[in-house]
Amino acid sequence: GQQLNQSPQSMFIQEGEDVSMNCTSSSIFNTWLWYKQDPGEGPVLLIALYKAGELTSNGRLTAQFGITRKDSFLNISASIPSDVGIYFCAGRGRNAGGTSYGKLTFGQGTILTVHP
Amino acid sequence: DVKVTQSSRYLVKRTGEKVFLECVQDMDHENMFWYRQDPGLGLRLIYFSYDVKMKEKGDIPEGYSVSREKKERFSLILESASTNQTSMYLCASRGQINNSPLHFGNGTRLTVT
Repeated sequence: GQQLNQSPQSMFIQEGEDVSMNCTSSSIFNTWLWYKQDPGEGPVLLIALYKAGELTSNGRLTAQFGITRKDSFLNISASIPSDVGIYFCAGRGRNAGGTSYGKLTFGQGTILTVHP
Repeated sequence: DVKVTQSSRYLVKRTGEKVFLECVQDMDHENMFWYRQDPGLGLRLIYFSYDVKMKEKGDIPEGYSVSREKKERFSLILESASTNQTSMYLCASRGQINNSPLHFGNGTRLTVT
């Protein structure tokens, strides 16, 4: 099946630093999504990208849909302690034979730790 | 706000037991999903359902089954729990509109001893 490689696996940064993480795919996706999971909770959608080349911001977060459709990155500027958590990329490809119903494939996650 | 509720936050079961994980959503979503989350592996899709009584295998269905008797409820069943099924289980739902996002529950951490 489709595979996503997300990197880095973990990051330890100081408050105020910028953060960058990315995902690459072995196949083309039509949608890229970025989720954040706080400790003890389910993932929550941060940013959705629907077009190749699209650059979208949500506060201090910026994400881009790569023009090859096989990659995406997420940047967090001026990190704060509440940015701590696990960040997941996810991609959705075309429905295969009309039965995949837009299944999402998730990356392995990036664990972010922010030191005050 | 969409609410996806998983009935248990923590479960401890013995090897060989039959285990039911329950999930309910309140947004009349057609599509519901069960994922398991393991360190370094991200979220992997076990089963999903696009309508009542309909189900499809995800990427790792072995050892699991599901039930969708009502639109709002999607149950994950471990027929005979094994220690390698110790994991965090996440339920999610989404509407039928193309590109509508997944909404997740808070997860059930299952330990099989």
